[in-house]
Amino acid sequence: SQKIEQNSEALNIQEGKTATLTCNYTNYSPAYLQWYRQDPGRGPVFLLLIRENEKEKRKERLKVTFDTTLKQSLFHITASQPADSATYLCALHLRGGGATNKLIFGTGTLLAVQP
Amino acid sequence: DAMVIQNPRYQVTQFGKPVTLSCSQTLNHNVMYWYQQKSSQAPKLLFHYYDKDFNNEADTPDNFQSRRPNTSFCFLDIRSPGLGDAAMYLCATSRVEQGGYQPQHFGDGTRLSIL
Repeated sequence: SQKIEQNSEALNIQEGKTATLTCNYTNYSPAYLQWYRQDPGRGPVFLLLIRENEKEKRKERLKVTFDTTLKQSLFHITASQPADSATYLCALHLRGGGATNKLIFGTGTLLAVQP
Repeated sequence: DAMVIQNPRYQVTQFGKPVTLSCSQTLNHNVMYWYQQKSSQAPKLLFHYYDKDFNNEADTPDNFQSRRPNTSFCFLDIRSPGLGDAAMYLCATSRVEQGGYQPQHFGDGTRLSIL
């Protein structure tokens, strides 16, 4: 069956440390993988996109890796801050998914950064 | 600021009483999506419009309908809400263009409660 799995347990880390979140998928062939941030009671906000032929993407304190052999993406936040506390969702855009940018979302990982 | 606006933020309806949720956008995006998100679950795509073309997901119940009278507005109609339809409903938009890929922009959702 097709699945997207993210850490179901909340991730608690200390301020200033690097947070690493995992997204694993099975039986999908994504052309792109995206990461979104979702705060309680709010809609998801786009953070980063990585293509299937890219290994790594960076934006300020954020870094995403994409390994299509392992079927895994890692999302890193360096020098984490309490303001980074939120749920982080990974989403797949499938190859052959049509021209309408349809996404399939994971359930998300709740990150809590302690001061 | 250009954005995706959902009204109302909170909606309470009675079991079986039709309800309409609305979404408007100032981004002039050609694709609009409706998602259902239940607590601690992934956003689940219900349907989307590519311009005026309606695309229903295979597992979206017939109870859910949508209308897009113009580029800026899209509505979600739930004809006979059941207790299982209580959820956050998210609207998102995206611009589909040749040779490029754009992420999705979300509104802050409407939380629907069923009495």
